[in-house]
Amino acid sequence: TAGITQAPTSQILAAGRSMTLRCTQDMRHNAMYWYRQDLGLGLRLIHYSNTAGTTGKGEVPDGYSVSRANTDDFPLTLASAVPSQTSVYFCASSDPDRGYTEAFFGQGTRLTVV
Amino acid sequence: GEDVEQSLFLSVREGDSSVINCTYTDSSSTYLYWYKQEPGAGLQLLTYIFSNMDMKQDQRLTVLLNKKDKHLSLRIADTQTGDSAIYFCAELDNFNKFYFGSGTKLNVKP
Repeated sequence: TAGITQAPTSQILAAGRSMTLRCTQDMRHNAMYWYRQDLGLGLRLIHYSNTAGTTGKGEVPDGYSVSRANTDDFPLTLASAVPSQTSVYFCASSDPDRGYTEAFFGQGTRLTVV
Repeated sequence: GEDVEQSLFLSVREGDSSVINCTYTDSSSTYLYWYKQEPGAGLQLLTYIFSNMDMKQDQRLTVLLNKKDKHLSLRIADTQTGDSAIYFCAELDNFNKFYFGSGTKLNVKP
């Protein structure tokens, strides 16, 4: 079972360049999330989507955009990268319609902006 | 967003019990979770507790929930070196968003 797949695994990006982090899930979960993980700050929610066609802002949305054209894919775009966006990015999904839900995570994308 | 707080580090000796603590602010949280992250990996669910429960036990893991104080703890009995990892407390809000604490790095000394 693939679960959640993120690509790329790691990337070095020049400041000012744009980049899209990809996330695909095969569990048909309605809800998807993007988090960034920084030392001492834990995971902070960037954007989320409760269902295809809708998105919402999390705690730290500035500098990032997302789209949710279908259930399976939830790409995260950095339009013009800055060094403070150096982080590990995790995509997650959940199925809130089941009553009980948990978040399933991808393996992460390590992004370095130089 | 919601505020979930944890201490950053905990060091224990192999065989001892570990207790990792967490406080949260959203009194309407339905579920509270403990996730484990090993180096270079994503987060894996360890256990969870429904908000109307006080305690949940699962093999070596015991979760205690004090709703009045908004305090959650994870006890790991007979801690092993393989338990060394970062442990995250998380809560689910009414809008299906998960909020995580800063993570507690557990170091188990042989």
